[in-house]
Amino acid sequence: AQSVTQPDIHITVSEGASLELRCNYSYGATPYLFWYVQSPGQGLQLLLKYFSGDTLVQGIKGFEAEFKRSQSSFNLRKPSVHWSDAAEYFCAVGAKAAGNKLTFGGGTRVLVKP
Amino acid sequence: DAGVTQSPTHLIKTRGQHVTLRCSPISGHKSVSWYQQVLGQGPQFIFQYYEKEERGRGNFPDRFSARQFPNYSSELNVNALLLGDSALYLCASSLAATGTGANVLTFGAGSRLTVL
Repeated sequence: AQSVTQPDIHITVSEGASLELRCNYSYGATPYLFWYVQSPGQGLQLLLKYFSGDTLVQGIKGFEAEFKRSQSSFNLRKPSVHWSDAAEYFCAVGAKAAGNKLTFGGGTRVLVKP
Repeated sequence: DAGVTQSPTHLIKTRGQHVTLRCSPISGHKSVSWYQQVLGQGPQFIFQYYEKEERGRGNFPDRFSARQFPNYSSELNVNALLLGDSALYLCASSLAATGTGANVLTFGAGSRLTVL
């Protein structure tokens, strides 16, 4: 069975500082990996995705993530955080055989200090 | 282009009642999936429908049911509501059944259900 762990429930970062959100997954085959962001009262917006190929994936809003198979990780990074990046971030894993079923982590809430 | 639209946006029900939530996918998308997001948790998969057929079901009781219409819109029904059904219900659409390929999921803003 698939599972996703986001070890950090909350992270506080100063505006302009770098951000890294951790994600560890468990899946027997090659996973499809996603990061979504959710602002208060909103649905989920896709930041980036990994299916195959280059393990460093670029996304929207200046985010990137790196797939490390040996560590079963897919950490999300941003070099310089903006106040508008305050939101909840979800890592998710899927697979071709699973159709549209994504398994989400519990989320990491990011607070940005001025 | 309109995104995934869900209705109602908020609703309050009492225990034992029934609720119907509605979802209109992005134009051209044939697959609709439903997820439940309890406060403080990540979304959990409930159902996937493609071309009006159920393609996947998560670990939810039979009180939860759904259907997809010829225009690809969808309804999620929950019977005999429990307090624990209070959650944000998210609908997502994709072009095809395999939403994890090039056809990624696009989510709506959700319907927030409160059960008293």
